[in-house]
Amino acid sequence: NAGVMQNPRHLVRRRGQEARLRCSPMKGHSHVYWYRQLPEEGLKFMVYLQKENIIDESGMPKERFSAEFPKEGPSILRIQQVVRGDSAAYFCASSPGWENTEAFFGQGTRLTVV
Amino acid sequence: GQSLEQPSEVTAVEGAIVQINCTYQTSGFYGLSWYQQHDGGAPTFLSYNALDGLEETGRFSSFLSRSDSYGYLLLQELQMKDSASYFCAVLTGGGNKLTFGTGTQLKVEL
Repeated sequence: NAGVMQNPRHLVRRRGQEARLRCSPMKGHSHVYWYRQLPEEGLKFMVYLQKENIIDESGMPKERFSAEFPKEGPSILRIQQVVRGDSAAYFCASSPGWENTEAFFGQGTRLTVV
Repeated sequence: GQSLEQPSEVTAVEGAIVQINCTYQTSGFYGLSWYQQHDGGAPTFLSYNALDGLEETGRFSSFLSRSDSYGYLLLQELQMKDSASYFCAVLTGGGNKLTFGTGTQLKVEL
């Protein structure tokens, strides 16, 4: 019974490249959340998705960032033309239903932009 | 928007009891959650309070007062492995949006 799986665990990108972060939710979970965490800070909500739908993207930067959760396959967080300020840990969480009273988090992807 | 306040650091000795407070300002409050995070690893769920009062789960308890916009996490019989960051988080948006505080780093000493 695998938990939330994120890959890669570590990702290094040069400025201007694209970063793709993947998240496979727990089995039976159809709700996915993405968070960003800077060193010594809390987790900042980015986006909430259900299968094939973006429900709430109020925490996503308007440019360069996009997210999807297709009918088949993992959820993808895409960052285009990365800049040094995008360096952070990106965590994905999943829940079985609308109520997120107990979120299950993945191990995160640590993005470093050089 | 939402804002949460919790102490940045707490230090306690092994075997002691420690309380981590959290005050919040939010609209559309649904409940208060607590998460533990070791060294930047995956945050793990500890507890959730939707109603006023105390919830107990083993050595950990969590309290909520909705009228005071206040909650706390109580850790008893502290162990070295409890050294970690602890985050309170408010649940809003009808129950699906978690907003986290900046975290409290707990150091347990011998």
